[in-house]
Parts: sequence; structure tokens; C-alpha cells
Amino acid sequence: GDSVTQMEGPVTLSEEAFLTINCTYTATGYPSLFWYVQYPGEGLQLLLKATKADDKGSNKGFEATYRKETTSFHLEKGSVQVSDSAVYFCALTRNQAGTALIFGKGTTLSVSS
Amino acid sequence: ETGVTQSPTHLIKTRGQQVTLRCSSQSGHNTVSWYQQALGQGPQFIFQYYREEENGRGNFPPRFSGLQFPNYSSELNVNALELDDSALYLCASRPGGRQLNTEAFFGQGTRLTVV
Repeated sequence: GDSVTQMEGPVTLSEEAFLTINCTYTATGYPSLFWYVQYPGEGLQLLLKATKADDKGSNKGFEATYRKETTSFHLEKGSVQVSDSAVYFCALTRNQAGTALIFGKGTTLSVSS
Repeated sequence: ETGVTQSPTHLIKTRGQQVTLRCSSQSGHNTVSWYQQALGQGPQFIFQYYREEENGRGNFPPRFSGLQFPNYSSELNVNALELDDSALYLCASRPGGRQLNTEAFFGQGTRLTVV
């Protein structure tokens, strides 16, 4: 079945460091890919998405490119801030009625000043 | 425009009891999905409702059931609670119909503890 694999955390960085969180997926067809972020005590918020191969999603300085050849959707940010500390989830959905999001296990990011 | 709201925010139940969780979808959204998020894990899909009909289900037993109402709000019911049902339950809504890959908006969740 469809699945998402994320790098294990926690990831601990200093402010202004470069961030990469790896995400690979297994799916039939052409899924849409998402990154969601969960701040402490809150629900999930969509960070960015890409709906087809070679699309680049971007938001708040974060970027991820849909790579079908490597089945990957790695999240990157050039300079992290303390406020970016959260749990990040990679997810996919097959573009079929009745299907929902399939999430990875999440990667905890902790940024210190 | 109000977002997705869930109630209650926290709940403690005893093993074997039944629980009902509620979700009000975002205005204009006719598709509601429920997810279970165990501690330290990603959310797992329970089921989805579109215009009051269940149109998708994850790998959860029948004691997890739901409803969607004409105003598109939704309930999640869990019977015969087990200790492993302790988790954060998330509701998400999105516009449905032909738009299959639209953004899902999540509520803040209900933290259920089964003792």
C-alpha cells in the first residue's frame, strides 16, 4: 500500500542553519504531496504542497520539490528561526475520491538561538 | 470565516465506555475526515464523509463509527473503548466534489485518554 517515510528526528539546529528533512514515498499513480507542520498543542497546518512531478512548493522560506524519479519530497529551508521549532509531517494523497492523507511519522525540529 | 472546531478539547474515559467527539467543518467545506494521532506518531486515517455519506475508510474496526449532518458537521463515535484508543483525534475539512487535492484544514484536536 501507499506509504511515506521520513527521516528520524529529533533534528537540532542553531538559528540561521540550513535545514533538510528527507521524505520518500511509495504510491501507485501520481499522488499529490504535502508538508504539514504541527506546533505544540495545536492541530496541523499545511506548509506547502506539490501536485505533479517537478513542481516546487514553497511557503515561509520552506521549499520542497516533487521528484518522481527518486520518489522524494525533501523539505529545505536556507536559514531556520527559533519559531520554526515544531513537528513536520510529510504526507501524500492519491487523487481519487474517498482517499485521504497518508502521513509519515513526523520529524521534530528544535532550533536554538 | 471560521475554521475547523472540535469539542471537547480533552476527555478522560474508562475502558469499555463509549465516546462521541464533535467537529464543525470550515464554512463551505462538505468533506470531513477523521484521523487518530498516537503519541509520537503521524495521524492515521479513520474515515471520511462527503455530503453525509461515508466515502472512505482506513484500517479501523467497526467500533469506530461516524456521522455527518446536513450542515456538514460531523461526529466520531468509539464504542468499547480500549487503552490503545488513547490518542489525539483530529478532524479535517476541505472542499469536496471534483477538487480532490485541495488543502485539508485541521482542527486542534480532541485529546482522549482511556484509563
